[in-house]
Amino acid sequence: KQEVTQIPAALSVPEGENLVLNCSFTDSAIYNLQWFRQDPGKGLTSLLLIQSSQREQTSGRLNASLDKSSGRSTLYIAASQPGDSATYLCAVNYNNNDMRFGAGTRLTVKP
Amino acid sequence: DAGITQSPRYKITETGRQVTLMCHQTWSHSYMFWYRQDLGHGLRLIYYSAAADITDKGEVPDGYVVSRSKTENFPLTLESATRSQTSVYFCASSEARGGDEQFFGPGTRLTVL
Repeated sequence: KQEVTQIPAALSVPEGENLVLNCSFTDSAIYNLQWFRQDPGKGLTSLLLIQSSQREQTSGRLNASLDKSSGRSTLYIAASQPGDSATYLCAVNYNNNDMRFGAGTRLTVKP
Repeated sequence: DAGITQSPRYKITETGRQVTLMCHQTWSHSYMFWYRQDLGHGLRLIYYSAAADITDKGEVPDGYVVSRSKTENFPLTLESATRSQTSVYFCASSEARGGDEQFFGPGTRLTVL
């Protein structure tokens, strides 16, 4: 079964800290992996997309890495801000259309 | 407005009633998707469509029907709603291939009493 796990489920950090969110998946035959942000009561906002042939992607203060062989991806957030508070979802795309989501990490950045 | 919209945003219905959730995108994306989001399960794919008149089942299709007569619209119908279908439903689209980046609508919160 293709499962996606995100650890921790919740994380609280003071403003300014660098932090890492983790995503692991059981089947390494992925097409790509996508990180999303979800604010309460809102839809999902795409943050980064990593193709299976790539090792990392960067956008501003965000950096996502992918290690297919170990079934892991990390999302690194530099210099966290209160506006970064949200739930972060990892989604693994299998077979071009079958996307499996993790349950998410709820991040709180305290001023 | 450009983007992907869903309607209604909130819906309360009763068990056994038919409900249709609408999804509209203005990007002319080929692929469209329907997901449901439940506590403890994350998001799960219900149905997807690769183009007009082409649809296929996802992980949890039972109890749902979809159609795609036009590229920009992808309605999801619950033919006889059940309490277990109480959830938040998200529509998404991607440009050319299903493996491309997916863009999500704001969601519809459905409550079945």
